[in-house]
Amino acid sequence: SQTIHQWPATLVQPVGSPLSLECTVEGTSNPNLYWYRQAAGRGLQLLFYSVGIGQISSEVPQNLSASRPQDRQFILSSKKLLLSDSGFYLCAWTPPGKETQYFGPGTRLLVL
Amino acid sequence: GQSLEQPSEVTAVEGAIVQINCTYQTSGFYGLSWYQQHDGGAPTFLSYNGLDGLEETGRFSSFLSRSDSYGYLLLQELQMKDSASYFCALTSGNTPLVFGKGTRLSVIA
Repeated sequence: SQTIHQWPATLVQPVGSPLSLECTVEGTSNPNLYWYRQAAGRGLQLLFYSVGIGQISSEVPQNLSASRPQDRQFILSSKKLLLSDSGFYLCAWTPPGKETQYFGPGTRLLVL
Repeated sequence: GQSLEQPSEVTAVEGAIVQINCTYQTSGFYGLSWYQQHDGGAPTFLSYNGLDGLEETGRFSSFLSRSDSYGYLLLQELQMKDSASYFCALTSGNTPLVFGKGTRLSVIA
């Protein structure tokens, strides 16, 4: 069966510090991968998506970046965090050409 | 572009039936999905409509009318554990889902 992992579960970082969040999927190959951010009590904002290794599409230009170094690994990064980067970061995957999206457990980031 | 509208909040009584509506604007999309998210948790898939009509999965049903650009999620025999946020989302193959802003359902005794 397929499983999606995200870590860390929670993170408290000072403003201006770097960020690296990792997401891995097991039990499938060539998944479409997504990074979302959700502010408290709000909807899901798509940040990046990838249909293959090294292929990244950015939906929201900002101080975040994403990389896909391996087929089932998706990394969200920042060189310098802003207060506004606080939120709930969710990684998700879909089988290619399919509709159902499966979400990881999320990382709760607080920037102070 | 694509956009979806759904009510921000709905309150219903335990044991009752509640319908959460979703209207959308798009062109060439494939289907409408519904996701449930409990406080502090990640969204989980509930239902998908690729064709017009009703899809039933246990206590949950979802409906789509492409001609009306409208869909809804129907929850029957409401339980307290159904209190959560519900998101409709437009799906179109390999392109990313477009989510609505979510409807917060509160089930009261």
